[in-house]
Amino acid sequence: DGGITQSPKYLFRKEGQNVTLSCEQNLNHDAMYWYRQDPGQGLRLIYYSQIVNDFQKGDIAEGYSVSREKKESFPLTVTSAQKNPTAFYLCASSGQGGGRTEAFFGQGTRLTVV
Amino acid sequence: RKEVEQDPGPFNVPEGATVAFNCTYSNSASQSFFWYRQDCRKEPKLLMSVYSSGNEDGRFTAQLNRASQYISLLIRDSKLSDSATYLCVVNTDDKIIFGKGTRLHILP
Repeated sequence: DGGITQSPKYLFRKEGQNVTLSCEQNLNHDAMYWYRQDPGQGLRLIYYSQIVNDFQKGDIAEGYSVSREKKESFPLTVTSAQKNPTAFYLCASSGQGGGRTEAFFGQGTRLTVV
Repeated sequence: RKEVEQDPGPFNVPEGATVAFNCTYSNSASQSFFWYRQDCRKEPKLLMSVYSSGNEDGRFTAQLNRASQYISLLIRDSKLSDSATYLCVVNTDDKIIFGKGTRLHILP
């Protein structure tokens, strides 16, 4: 089955710790994206990547970092510099090296800082 | 001007009524357009693509007006199961932009 997988589904982090969220896709998509969603709010773009070894900042990149060493994988690290990291994180991918096709989403990771 | 703008709602609509969502986008070079549905605490899922000629899928009709940079979604004969948040999505050459979504509550 082709799809996009995020793990873990729920994640708890102590203040001051870095944490990495996993996103893997087997759809052979070039483009991958990370979004953050707060309760009752829309999706905000954190980082996106159109091709391996290249990525761009979105609207709220501060306190986050990413890597794109493989086409299938686009992990997101939430660093201790992110002041309010508790949120729902969604990873998505799309084909054709850009925004020409629809995005497919993983099931999301709920991060809670305790 | 925001890249993609939608009325946040909520829209409270009786079952069986027709409901319309509107969306505007700022980048005239945008290339493709979609409506997504998001249920509470779930990931967004594609509802339908939007084409300049307009397209229909059962009770759902989507329209695109490139000149006005405007997208619409019409739901006819609304069902209780249509209650969700509807997201307008615009793709440029390099990224996908989501509107904040419009919440819809269908009332029995």
